[in-house]
Amino acid sequence: EVQLLESGGGLVQPGGSLRLSCAASGFTFSAYAMSWVRQAPGKGLEWVSSISGNGGNTYYADSVKGRFTISRDNSKNTLYLQMNSLRAEDTALYYCAKTSGKDYYFDFWGQGTLVTVSS
Amino acid sequence: DIVMTQSPDSLAVSLGERATINCKSSQSVLYSSNNKNYLAWYQQKPGQPPKLLIYWASTRESGVPDRFSGSGSGTDFTLTISSLQAEDVAVYYCQQYYIIPPLTFGGGTKVEIK
Repeated sequence: EVQLLESGGGLVQPGGSLRLSCAASGFTFSAYAMSWVRQAPGKGLEWVSSISGNGGNTYYADSVKGRFTISRDNSKNTLYLQMNSLRAEDTALYYCAKTSGKDYYFDFWGQGTLVTVSS
Repeated sequence: DIVMTQSPDSLAVSLGERATINCKSSQSVLYSSNNKNYLAWYQQKPGQPPKLLIYWASTRESGVPDRFSGSGSGTDFTLTISSLQAEDVAVYYCQQYYIIPPLTFGGGTKVEIK
């Protein structure tokens, strides 16, 4: 059974940093690209970042480029999102999502971890 | 960027009736070399993460009831719920995966019971 368990969210001041983690199980983690998708309170879905299975290719939304870094540790079956220079508009529920393979649609989502940026 | 526009924003349908949601992309998501439309549909119930319903515009994910169907090609797509059930109350999103970055979602369509 596929499981994705996000952690690391919390309350942070503007300009601060957080690192999100997503522990994966139930599938061959290294074989699949992974992504982070966020959802601001009461809003729709916004793609944040993706990383290929071997970590060699990374992609970012313009809204986070230069501030967020996606990475993965395939030996630990874990996906990360390092978030720096956080802004109020980064406040959202952050979902870890598994892609179908080499095509970037999401066949499984975690429950999400909430990031709140506020002073 | 490919902009995804969904309509309507919300709709109320009687139980057992048909619900139709539209999704339009700002450019074609049909890849000519494999004749596939890079378009997915998701269902998000309150307090839950999204769930994949449809990919390649019309392929139903395993376990998804056959009352859900996807159609369309190029820039215009439709998600149809043939006979609305109470458990189908949710927000539905389309997503293009033809171009990355960025991956883009539609704004969502909220389906309620009339």
